[in-house]
Amino acid sequence: QQQVKQSPQSLIVQKGGISIINCAYENTAFDYFPWYQQFPGKGPALLIAIRPDVSEKKEGRFTISFNKSAKQFSLHIMDSQPGDSATYFCAASKGSGYSTLTFGKGTMLLVSP
Amino acid sequence: GAVVSQHPSWVICKSGTSVKIECRSLDFQATTMFWYRQFPKQSLMLMATSNEGSKATYEQGVEKDKFLINHASLTLSTLTVTSAHPEDSSFYICSASRAASYTEAFFGQGTRLTVV
Repeated sequence: QQQVKQSPQSLIVQKGGISIINCAYENTAFDYFPWYQQFPGKGPALLIAIRPDVSEKKEGRFTISFNKSAKQFSLHIMDSQPGDSATYFCAASKGSGYSTLTFGKGTMLLVSP
Repeated sequence: GAVVSQHPSWVICKSGTSVKIECRSLDFQATTMFWYRQFPKQSLMLMATSNEGSKATYEQGVEKDKFLINHASLTLSTLTVTSAHPEDSSFYICSASRAASYTEAFFGQGTRLTVV
């Protein structure tokens, strides 16, 4: 059973456009929702994360929107740049104890020049 | 920021030999470290969780005798792939969590293992 569903699987956006990636979760015990960016041959890097006490978090061009009642959260990349082309993973964890992350399947983003 | 260093970045070994991968937290103490495996164009698959000074907890389907994990200190965990076979070829990634952190995990750069 996949606990974190991520869509779309791939995405092509023009330079300057908005990239939107969505995730939905099932486990209501999840209380920490990070997004990771991964370039080919590299490990994932934490991009931005949110906890359920807020509905939105913004860091530069990256924004997480969180809808607790719908059990959904999304990543918005404003003014997308070719350098943003990477695979993005959403994840979720329960927070208490050790932090075992449940990952979505990933979205390959290509920002065309 | 928190830095996790993984070594080596890539390794090629002969079938039947063992390979050790190191994961170090450079500027923080990691009470918990995680080992993942990633196949091309797929998500990260958690293999095991290790806490400093105790035995690792392996995920279902992961052979603990094949993938030996040691977390001897708060800054070092090692994954040894024993008697490696071509099907063990993969991208292995570690991550570490700080003792005082809520849940934040920092990832190493990954190790590409090719077994020939």
